[in-house]
Amino acid sequence: DGGITQSPKYLFRKEGQNVTLSCEQNLNHDAMYWYRQDPGQGLRLIYYSQIVNDFQKGDIAEGYSVSREKKESFPLTVTSAQKNPTAFYLCASTSSLGGTYEQYFGPGTRLTVT
Amino acid sequence: DAKTTQPPSMDCAEGRAANLPCNHSTISGNEYVYWYRQIHSQGPQYIIHGLKNNETNEMASLIITEDRKSSTLILPHATLRDTAVYYCIASNAGGTSYGKLTFGQGTILTVHP
Repeated sequence: DGGITQSPKYLFRKEGQNVTLSCEQNLNHDAMYWYRQDPGQGLRLIYYSQIVNDFQKGDIAEGYSVSREKKESFPLTVTSAQKNPTAFYLCASTSSLGGTYEQYFGPGTRLTVT
Repeated sequence: DAKTTQPPSMDCAEGRAANLPCNHSTISGNEYVYWYRQIHSQGPQYIIHGLKNNETNEMASLIITEDRKSSTLILPHATLRDTAVYYCIASNAGGTSYGKLTFGQGTILTVHP
């Protein structure tokens, strides 16, 4: 089945540690996105990538880093510089074919840092 | 993206139509109206989008006013599985924004038996 996978579903880390969240898609989409969601809030854009080896900061990029070495993969690293890392992280992708730009989302990773 | 305003919550009886309003009075001519929904603890799901004309697909209908300042998402026969947060987004996703979407807080739709 085509889709977006994120792993793991739940992740626990100690404060001060970097952690990398995985996002893989087999939809052959060009663009990929990372969002953060806090309880009772909407999604906020962290980083996005339109093509391989290129990515742009979103609205809340501080304390995060990404890479886009392959079209299928867009991992997100939550660094120790991120002050409030505990959140629900969502990855998405989109294709420009047909011009609809609808985004397909993964199931999310819930990160808890203590 | 243009700012959108949605009621924080709405209720609907199962089997009845759910009509979710959205105000986007500052929408520009090249911005589409997108609707997504998010069931608890899952990733958002695309529902429908439109520019000027009314649109219908297997999930819902989208009615956009002639002046494009507001729209209504219609779920014709709501079921308990339609209970979710519904997000209305106005975005020039195909232009310089290239797919970027700005999610507000949405409307929590609760479908009752």
